[in-house]
Amino acid sequence: EAQVTQNPRYLITVTGKKLTVTCSQNMNHEYMSWYRQDPGLGLRQIYYSMNVEVTDKGDVPEGYKVSRKEKRNFPLILESPSPNQTSLYFCASSADRGRGFDNEQFFGPGTRLTVL
Amino acid sequence: GEDVEQSLFLSVREGDSSVINCTYTDSSSTYLYWYKQEPGAGLQLLTYIFSNMDMKQDQRLTVLLNKKDKHLSLRIADTQTGDSAIYFCAERGTGRRALTFGSGTRLQVQP
Repeated sequence: EAQVTQNPRYLITVTGKKLTVTCSQNMNHEYMSWYRQDPGLGLRQIYYSMNVEVTDKGDVPEGYKVSRKEKRNFPLILESPSPNQTSLYFCASSADRGRGFDNEQFFGPGTRLTVL
Repeated sequence: GEDVEQSLFLSVREGDSSVINCTYTDSSSTYLYWYKQEPGAGLQLLTYIFSNMDMKQDQRLTVLLNKKDKHLSLRIADTQTGDSAIYFCAERGTGRRALTFGSGTRLQVQP
C-alpha cells in the first residue's frame, strides 16, 4: 500500500530534550516536506527536500533541522525543543514530474507533540 | 506573502448542501486544492482544480473558481454525517512546490 508513515504518532517531552520524528514514504517520491498545524493557522511548511541531500527552509524553520540521506526517509529533528513547538506535525511527499504537472502531496497521519 | 482565508465553522443538516468558501491572494496560483481532515487523521486530498478552469464536478463535490475575485468554493451535495471534518483550502503558485493552506473550516453535519 502506498503510504507515508510517521513515528511516533504521539510524544510528550520536556524542554531541551532532543527528539527526532521519523517520516518514511514507499512511493519513490523525490519531494518531501514537513508541516506543522496549529489552531487557527492551518498548515505551515517547516522544511522541504527536493531530493536526496537537497533540503531547504520553508516558512517556519526556526528550531528545526532535517536531513535527507535516503530518498524514502526525511526525519525532523528538534535539537532543543521548547513549549512553542507543541503542535501537530505532518510529513508529506510527492513525485516530481516537473512544472505544469499537479504533483499531488500525500500526507502522513500526523505526530502530536507536546513540549512541557 | 501568499494568504488563504476560510471561515472557521459551518453547520448543516444531513441531506442539505454544504458550501465552504475560500479566498486567496496569490495571483499566480496555478492549482487550488480541497483537503479533508477527519479527527485524528492526516489530510486527504478531495479534489483540485487548475486555475484555467471555472468548475469541476466529482460525484457529490463541485468546485467553483472565480479567478477574478480569487474565490474558491467547495459544494458538497446531500451532506452526510460522515462528511463531518475539517476542510482545508490550499493553493500552489507557479514554480512553487509548497502549498499555502487556509486555517480550515470545521463542517458539522447534524442528523
